[in-house]
Amino acid sequence: NAGVTQTPKFQVLKTGQSMTLQCAQDMNHEYMSWYRQDPGMGLRLIHYSVGAGITDQGEVPNGYNVSRSTTEDFPLRLLSAAPSQTSVYFCASKTGRGQPQHFGDGTRLSIL
Amino acid sequence: DQQVKQNSPSLSVQEGRISILNCDYTNSMFDYFLWYKKYPAEGPTFLISISSIKDKNEDGRFTVFLNKSAKHLSLHIVPSQPGDSAVYFCAASNFGNEKLTFGTGTRLTIIP
Repeated sequence: NAGVTQTPKFQVLKTGQSMTLQCAQDMNHEYMSWYRQDPGMGLRLIHYSVGAGITDQGEVPNGYNVSRSTTEDFPLRLLSAAPSQTSVYFCASKTGRGQPQHFGDGTRLSIL
Repeated sequence: DQQVKQNSPSLSVQEGRISILNCDYTNSMFDYFLWYKKYPAEGPTFLISISSIKDKNEDGRFTVFLNKSAKHLSLHIVPSQPGDSAVYFCAASNFGNEKLTFGTGTRLTIIP
């Protein structure tokens, strides 16, 4: 049982490039979400999904797109990377309401 | 506007003693609170939670206390062990909303 798997673990991009951060979970969880963590700040919610085909914005959605075509996968797309998006990105999933979220080990992203 | 605050960036405690981590919140709509523990280069790991209908929840060495009137919660770890050295995040949500809001974290160091 792998839990929540994020790839890649590290990535360096140039300003203006696009890329997709992958997130997969094998626990059949309905709820998935993406957070970013910046120095001196807590994790901030970017986007979340309560099931396949359903997504919604979190606290800091600008510059990011998501889609949820399957229960297992929830990719995060950066359309045109900016230095302000340099951060550590965490994906999480949970079974449903009132349950704790399970986090992946993160993707460390640097935008030059 | 920081809705969940952890005012102590760091805390050092001797092994075997009690560790007390504090968290304050401002949003009176929050009714579900969680504590996560995070080691370097790993994702946050769920520790313990409490809903607003309770004022205390215990799980082994970990106890969370909730004071709704003061909008304050605390995590007690007894006895503290070297493996408890990590960053601890407090998080809160509205049960119906499901979006988690995190504090900025407290780095706990257990001194052998």
